[in-house]
Amino acid sequence: EPEVTQTPSHQVTQMGQEVILRCVPISNHLYFYWYRQILGQKVEFLVSFYNNEISEKSEIFDDQFSVERPDGSNFTLKIRSTKLEDSAMYFCASKFTTNVGEQYFGPGTRLTVT
Amino acid sequence: RKEVEQDPGPFNVPEGATVAFNCTYSNSASQSFFWYRQDCRKEPKLLMSVYSSGNEDGRFTAQLNRASQYISLLIRDSKLSDSATYLCVVNGNTDKLIFGTGTRLQVFP
Repeated sequence: EPEVTQTPSHQVTQMGQEVILRCVPISNHLYFYWYRQILGQKVEFLVSFYNNEISEKSEIFDDQFSVERPDGSNFTLKIRSTKLEDSAMYFCASKFTTNVGEQYFGPGTRLTVT
Repeated sequence: RKEVEQDPGPFNVPEGATVAFNCTYSNSASQSFFWYRQDCRKEPKLLMSVYSSGNEDGRFTAQLNRASQYISLLIRDSKLSDSATYLCVVNGNTDKLIFGTGTRLQVFP
């Protein structure tokens, strides 16, 4: 069964450093998303991406964040200058169709900012 | 009012029991509804979509009441492996998913 994959599974970085989280969505999916979950809290939407551009972003997704689909398979989330409060689980998700259509999540990257 | 509201639990039930979870959502324009399951420190996994007519998948039954903005999940004949957090998820005018905080279920022998 096809699945979303993410690397690395755990990333430890120092405050102020740049990190890139990588995702490979399911191959025939067209819509891509990043969510995050701070420990003990609910899953929160960050950004959606379609046709090589951002469709929607949340208030969390400020100028420190960017997304890119550098080739036909990878989808990346970059945080330019990490803060302690960026420590969270980051999930990538993908979907085949718009509107009704289930999103499938990758296993996540645990980001720890020290 | 929270966008998606769930009782956090925990619900502690014996194997074989029937358990029901409820969820309310605030945006009447919401179009799609889902139940996801999340094991500790893992990704949300789609359990089932929820349709207006209600739908069933094995031991799991989901219901949607648009007038009351209420979604439910019924689990029959609970198994130990059902122990997890159940996330009520909604999307509104756009396709971003809005998650509830989840209801924790613990099934004991």
